Amino acid sequence: DTEVTQTPKHLVMGMTNKKSLKCEQHMGHRAMYWYKQKAKKPPELMFVYSYEKLSINESVPSRFSPECPNSSLLNLHLHALQPEDSALYLCASSHLGQGPNNEQFFGPGTRLTVL
Amino acid sequence: DAKTTQPPSMDCAEGRAANLPCNHSTISGNEYVYWYRQIHSQGPQYIIHGLKNNETNEMASLIITEDRKSSTLILPHATLRDTAVYYCIGNTNAGKSTFGDGTTLTVKP
Repeated sequence: DTEVTQTPKHLVMGMTNKKSLKCEQHMGHRAMYWYKQKAKKPPELMFVYSYEKLSINESVPSRFSPECPNSSLLNLHLHALQPEDSALYLCASSHLGQGPNNEQFFGPGTRLTVL
Repeated sequence: DAKTTQPPSMDCAEGRAANLPCNHSTISGNEYVYWYRQIHSQGPQYIIHGLKNNETNEMASLIITEDRKSSTLILPHATLRDTAVYYCIGNTNAGKSTFGDGTTLTVKP
């Protein structure tokens, strides 16, 4: 299984809502990532988890809260978002390490709209 | 992680080879160069990677200059389905990869 799945595919939420994005992989990867992508822009790294521990936080506002319950699952909890947070949120996973064979596998993304 | 520079757009005729350049002059000695592509509204897809030697797989070939400051991705026989944004990035040990603006490749009939 070389697939990264993300749910939901689309999400519309108000600024006072609390919602969660989910990501799952069963490739045995020990690194998992959240990216944010605005229209016509490249993906921007938000968070990296290594061995279920947060290793990189790219100065993301606290209204985004990541969680890695186990090595296969990655969540992104959303609270009090702003309309400018509307974007495609991508999850990815990879092996760890400097060597070859740690390409990232991306999910299809969650299209988030904040009203 | 390495900063990469790519031309913003390129066109290619269907059936011809597409050669996409990337400058990564700040890449460190043990940092791999990875190429991904993103077809409209989908997640990025891994294509190929290399360190020093040229590489080939079923999707593409990667030519890396001897000084490792640049590379070229070659799609030998481009099809309309190869129309996408192509990104080259450096891959660090920490798992941090910074995507540049990429090259939008348009394959025309």
